[in-house]
Formats: sequence, structure tokens, C-alpha cells
Amino acid sequence: DAKTTQPTSMDCAEGRAANLPCNHSTISGNEYVYWYRQIHSQGPQYIIHGLKNNETNEMASLIITEDRKSSTLILPHATLRDTAVYYCIVRAIFGNEKLTFGTGTRLTIIP
Amino acid sequence: NAGVTQTPKFRVLKTGQSMTLLCAQDMNHEYMYWYRQDPGMGLRLIHYSVGEGTTAKGEVPDGYNVSRLKKQNFLLGLESAAPSQTSVYFCASRPTGRGNIQYFGAGTRLSVL
Repeated sequence: DAKTTQPTSMDCAEGRAANLPCNHSTISGNEYVYWYRQIHSQGPQYIIHGLKNNETNEMASLIITEDRKSSTLILPHATLRDTAVYYCIVRAIFGNEKLTFGTGTRLTIIP
Repeated sequence: NAGVTQTPKFRVLKTGQSMTLLCAQDMNHEYMYWYRQDPGMGLRLIHYSVGEGTTAKGEVPDGYNVSRLKKQNFLLGLESAAPSQTSVYFCASRPTGRGNIQYFGAGTRLSVL
């Protein structure tokens, strides 16, 4: 699975959009980008995933660059409950079962 | 709607003791996973199962055994606990298809003294 690089930490004001970047310059053509988050002392929670087109669901939007070497997770109106560690994971749909969780980005929403 | 349930939530063991962590899911998922998370690190896969009666090794399987006798349950065993196994353990499950969207339990915090 391709390696990902994320900033260690970020702050965002409550009510503003939180934009979390992820670099995955070695991504292969059959690898998807997944985002999970982990709120303190809880299990990880799936947010969104995509291959090459931008994706949106009730939680967030995922913007993948045309060359697929980076992506951005957007939380459109951040709330205090969005404070968490966010993990960007690159993985092929088929193949080994491992989800490689790095150290992620610690997002703090500021009142 | 319980989802993925892990028991116990907390446990303290002495070195050399054994124990079993239970994971139960009520979503009829085929795949189940056990991860461990150490301070400041991401999750690492211990073992997984692609269906009832099957198990496979992940990236850190040593010192652990697993069983999947029933589809809804995935057991993680520590035969002789070591301080290096002090960690938070997470179970996850996912259905066939739908990519690799895994649903996680709340975790079991284990301390080995």
C-alpha cells in the first residue's frame, strides 16, 4: 500500500471549513484513498473514500487531485465534536486486508 | 443497533496470565479484524478472518491466537501475557464488497504488569 504523509496537527475555528491535506505521491492506479477519524478513547470511524473523482457524503467531502498524488478532506462546518485524529489511508480494494493507519492529523476545533 | 461490541472494556493482567478478548458483531459481516494501538501510534493489524472458521495473520501476530467458530464472534487470546502486550485493542468488521469500510468497536484497554 502507498505511504501517506499528513501534518501532525491542525486547528480550525468552530463553524469554519476544516481542510485536511494528505500526500500520497506513490499511489497506484488501483488504490483508493480512505479517511477515518478517531475521537479520543473511541474506535476509528469511517468517513469517506474515493478513487479519482471527488466524493461527498453527509459527513465530509473528498477532493483528489487530477494526478491522484494528494487529496484533501473537507469538513464543511466544523463543530467541537469534530475534534479528533484523522487518518488518510491508501489501499487497493482487493488484496491484503491490512488498513495501514499512520499517526494521522490531530484536528482541534476551537470555540 | 449494537454494531461491534467488545468485552471486557478494561483488564489488568499479571505477566504470564492468559485471557480472551471477545468481539461480537450483529451486522452479519463476513470479515473481522483485531488491531492494537500503542501510545502515539496508529493501529496495527494482529489477525483477521475472512469468514466463519477462517483466520489469518496480520502484521503483528506473535503472542496472540484467534478463533472464529461463529460468524458473529471473533476471539483474541493471549496465552501468556507480557508487558509488551499492554495496549488498546480494537475489533472491527466489514461486509463483503463495499470496499474496505470497517466498523470498529469501542476498544479494550489491557495492562500487563
